[in-house]
Amino acid sequence: KAGVTQTPRYLIKTRGQQVTLSCSPISGHRSVSWYQQTPGQGLQFLFEYFSETQRNKGNFPGRFSGRQFSNSRSEMNVSTLELGDSALYLCASSLEPGSTDTQYFGPGTRLTVL
Amino acid sequence: GESVGLHLPTLSVQEGDNSIINCAYSNSASDYFIWYKQESGKGPQFIIDIRSNMDKRQGQRVTVLLNKTVKHLSLQIAATQPGDSAVYFCAENTPLPNQGAQKLVFGQGTRLTINP
Repeated sequence: KAGVTQTPRYLIKTRGQQVTLSCSPISGHRSVSWYQQTPGQGLQFLFEYFSETQRNKGNFPGRFSGRQFSNSRSEMNVSTLELGDSALYLCASSLEPGSTDTQYFGPGTRLTVL
Repeated sequence: GESVGLHLPTLSVQEGDNSIINCAYSNSASDYFIWYKQESGKGPQFIIDIRSNMDKRQGQRVTVLLNKTVKHLSLQIAATQPGDSAVYFCAENTPLPNQGAQKLVFGQGTRLTINP
């Protein structure tokens, strides 16, 4: 069974631009979560989607948004990019949301903002 | 490869020795805990998990211990091999207040290096 896939793997943008990242979960998984990983802050939760609905959201500004499609694929969008948005963005999928199921991570998208 | 953290605690062990990686978690209401391994250029990889109604769980070459009294979690790796070199993260599944949902909260990570 294929794992979580994320595209693109690497991205370079400039301040003020916007970016869209894509995540395809493991087949059959319906819950998708997004995380930001930086050397200074570590792994931080962005948001979680299940059945095309955002279930919960971390402490990030409104510039960070996401959505989930009927096939469980998810996208996240960051508008008006800032230098501090440079990070590894990780997507994780699980069968169901909540504490009943393990999350499996993709390889991440490395975003660099210049 | 990519660096996942520039100022992580580091544990160096001799190949063949046992490794013990420790983690303190923050929320006494957390009910599920997971250890992940992250190699350079890759996403975190699930190693082993434990629920709050247990205090020990064993896998292949790995054991997780949970001490809820002091909110402490440890990962023991037996007979450490070069392929075990990575950053190890603990994560706690924490309920979100007033939302009826949970989220994973990750520790800062520990870099494990293996000396030949």
